[in-house]
Amino acid sequence: NAGVMQNPRHLVRRRGQEARLRCSPMKGHSHVYWYRQLPEEGLKFMVYLQKENIIDESGMPKERFSAEFPKEGPSILRIQQVVRGDSAAYFCASSPRRGENTEAFFGQGTRLTVV
Amino acid sequence: AQSVTQLGSHVSVSEGALVLLRCNYSSSVPPYLFWYVQYPNQGLQLLLKYTSAATLVKGINGFEAEFKKSETSFHLTKPSAHMSDAAEYFCAVSDRGGGADGLTFGKGTHLIIQP
Repeated sequence: NAGVMQNPRHLVRRRGQEARLRCSPMKGHSHVYWYRQLPEEGLKFMVYLQKENIIDESGMPKERFSAEFPKEGPSILRIQQVVRGDSAAYFCASSPRRGENTEAFFGQGTRLTVV
Repeated sequence: AQSVTQLGSHVSVSEGALVLLRCNYSSSVPPYLFWYVQYPNQGLQLLLKYTSAATLVKGINGFEAEFKKSETSFHLTKPSAHMSDAAEYFCAVSDRGGGADGLTFGKGTHLIIQP
């Protein structure tokens, strides 16, 4: 059973371009979470999705950021018109369900560099 | 609102010595508490979690943590450090259960093991 797969591992974008980050959850997991890690900081929650639905997007910036988790295929975190401040490591996690007796598994992250 | 404070951005111990990584939290509701480890260029791996059962929680790789409500602490310990323990350690708090929904992370502690 493969772990959470994120690609690409490294992504370089020029200011103003779009960045698309992909996350394939573990087999059997229908809950996906995105986190951002800025340099020298802990991870910050961005969004929680369950197949085709956004459950909690309280950590998402209001503009330029969007996320989806379609019925088929990976979850996508999309950043439009990237700026230097978007440079960070973006981690995805997945779990089979919500609640106390579950465990989330994190991917290796996508390191986005905006030049 | 939740918050996590990890005392010491860097902790250095000798191989075979006691490891103590400190974590204090604030939460308006009974918390779920987690310790994650991140090896270089890897995702986060769950070491252990507290979910209101036993206050002393045992995790993987010989680590354990004790939940102390009166001190709002959840310090991580290991009796004897091994070179392979060198990594970044993150404490996290949630009021939503055992998954990765709405975790609030500390800034991390970099554990250095001296030979």
